Amino acid sequence: DTAVSQTPKYLVTQMGNDKSIKCEQNLGHDTMYWYKQDSKKFLKIMFSYNNKELIINETVPNRFSPKSPDKAHLNLHINSLELGDSAVYFCASSQEREGLDTQYFGPGTRLTVL
Amino acid sequence: KQEVTQIPAALSVPEGENLVLNCSFTDSAIYNLQWFRQDPGKGLTSLLLIQSSQREQTSGRLNASLDKSSGRSTLYIAASQPGDSATYLCAAAPSGGYNKLIFGAGTRLAVHP
Repeated sequence: DTAVSQTPKYLVTQMGNDKSIKCEQNLGHDTMYWYKQDSKKFLKIMFSYNNKELIINETVPNRFSPKSPDKAHLNLHINSLELGDSAVYFCASSQEREGLDTQYFGPGTRLTVL
Repeated sequence: KQEVTQIPAALSVPEGENLVLNCSFTDSAIYNLQWFRQDPGKGLTSLLLIQSSQREQTSGRLNASLDKSSGRSTLYIAASQPGDSATYLCAAAPSGGYNKLIFGAGTRLAVHP
């Protein structure tokens, strides 16, 4: 059973397009995250939702809009894609447990903008 | 602002060696510190989580220590195997930061037979 899944695994698109990445977790966790791993492999948090509420919003361009229809899903929509958006996007989830909140990561979505 | 640094950036060792990966962080006010493993083209796998109040955690051949006062954590791998080859990432969760992980750049480990 896949704990945290993402679709699609690969996404190749043209500059200026709008695209979405979907994430689902079946762990019953209440918090979900989006991270971006750039070409230098640096992982940075973008957003976090707790029970469908946005709790972390780093300095991400407003072309990126997360949406959480329920606590098992966190989708990422990107408008007007730019070359610099090319990266691997990881979804993660965790359960708040007073310092024991291990984060579980999905397999990643490799986005290539041409 | 929390910053996490990992040394060395890359390490190549023969099978069977014991090795230490280092992680340092600039702000000692952390909620926890986590070590992950990333295989090429894959997601991250959690290895160990050390709570702010703890000094170390162990899982099999892995042992991670935490010294908040000096802003350091180490990951010790005993009797390394080729299957341990991967990138190891350290991440600090700042206090009051909703478990927002700040990652280091990672140590790329290669264990050769």
